[in-house]
Amino acid sequence: EAAVTQSPRNKVTVTGGNVTLSCRQTNSHNYMYWYRQDTGHGLRLIHYSYGAGNLQIGDVPDGYKATRTTQEDFFLLLELASPSQTSLYFCATLRGGSTGQLYFGEGSKLTVL
Amino acid sequence: GNSVTQMQGQVTLSEEEFLFINCTYSTTGYPTLFWYVQYPGEGPQLLLKVTTANNKGSSRGFEATYDKGTTSFHLQKASVQESDSAVYYCVLGEAGNTGKLIFGLGTTLQVQP
Repeated sequence: EAAVTQSPRNKVTVTGGNVTLSCRQTNSHNYMYWYRQDTGHGLRLIHYSYGAGNLQIGDVPDGYKATRTTQEDFFLLLELASPSQTSLYFCATLRGGSTGQLYFGEGSKLTVL
Repeated sequence: GNSVTQMQGQVTLSEEEFLFINCTYSTTGYPTLFWYVQYPGEGPQLLLKVTTANNKGSSRGFEATYDKGTTSFHLQKASVQESDSAVYYCVLGEAGNTGKLIFGLGTTLQVQP
């Protein structure tokens, strides 16, 4: 059974639309992350959290909000989606700190028309 | 600041050839360095972790080391198989246990039968 589950797996919206990507973990890891993956840019960190109610800003946060409601659940919010946010989004959890291993979900493909 | 540079965007080899992928990093303190692999349609997964300079990490026939003097780390495999075709990322774990990991741009390995 997958330890990091993302939903939806595919989403199509229009410019200006409101999108929420969800991530749920069963790992009981403190850290959770949202990355976006684009050709030529690799994986870029949007936001991350080290516990319920905590939020840390990543490297490409503009246009994104995030909220960690529980130890298990981390959400990525696009309130006014733009075509530049068309991407493959990955959620990940981390055991330990920066020396630990990331566990990724299967990805959510978002298309903004 | 902390950064990692992965210059080889694409590598094409024939089966049984030698693989070598190199990255350079910049950080203060003692780095933790990782190699992650991503197969088509999946999220990245940990391949190797190296915490001590000049010590080898190994997994699934892959080996990794890092050189503190040249701030470089590399991944190698003596004899690749078609099943090794994937994207390989070098990753730097920030010192100070911030929970932040920095990904290189990735190297796409294509192994021809």
